[in-house]
Amino acid sequence: QSVLTQPPSVSAAPGQKVTISCSGSSSNIGNNFVSWYQQFPGTAPKVVIYDNDKRPSEIPDRFSASKSGTSATLAITGLQTGDEADYYCGTWDTNLSAGVFGGGTKLTVL
Amino acid sequence: QVQLQESGPGLVKPSQTLSLTCTVSGDSISNSIYDWSWVRQPAGKGLEWIGRMYLSGTTNYNPSLKSRATISRDTSRNQFSLRLRSVTAADTAVYFCARGIYGRIDYFYYYYMGVWGKGTTVTVS
Repeated sequence: QSVLTQPPSVSAAPGQKVTISCSGSSSNIGNNFVSWYQQFPGTAPKVVIYDNDKRPSEIPDRFSASKSGTSATLAITGLQTGDEADYYCGTWDTNLSAGVFGGGTKLTVL
Repeated sequence: QVQLQESGPGLVKPSQTLSLTCTVSGDSISNSIYDWSWVRQPAGKGLEWIGRMYLSGTTNYNPSLKSRATISRDTSRNQFSLRLRSVTAADTAVYFCARGIYGRIDYFYYYYMGVWGKGTTVTVS
């Protein structure tokens, strides 16, 4: 069972907006920065958001994220079929002194 | 361009030790800005953080691995390694090495993995 909680799946139509939630506690999300990873089948994860809301230069601005209290949210607008992937949230857990991930959310673009 | 490449046996017998190496090119593992991590993923399941090594060789590990994991480094070869003792079938997974960024601003920690290896599959059987 993952330290961070994500919905197993979300779906939306092309062009629409989707959000993926990530819930934790005061020892992780509540007091540390959150990152988000995109993973296609058979490949390594790729960071799409770091430090709560920052995007690497190669990630389109259709990807955004926010944090409030002990929860974080990844938003993807203008959905494309190429966005279909698994998405994971991650952060540092101060009590565990360890990195932690969410269980992952499978995004389906209908 | 930084690249990481995992290597090691693809098959390990139960109760034995899993040993993997990550070879880094395009950066030095002695670079104090970054840390060097291992993450694994059982087939069809989510990511599990194993541990990290940073600065002078200090390490952090996932408590759930119950002290079975050890991360070490060979700066002369620009490699870092993972050893996981007393493996069982539950340790069967794709193992990734990654370069991470870790730090603290006031009381808040930031940590993420920006560069990943392609992963290597290890089966315990």
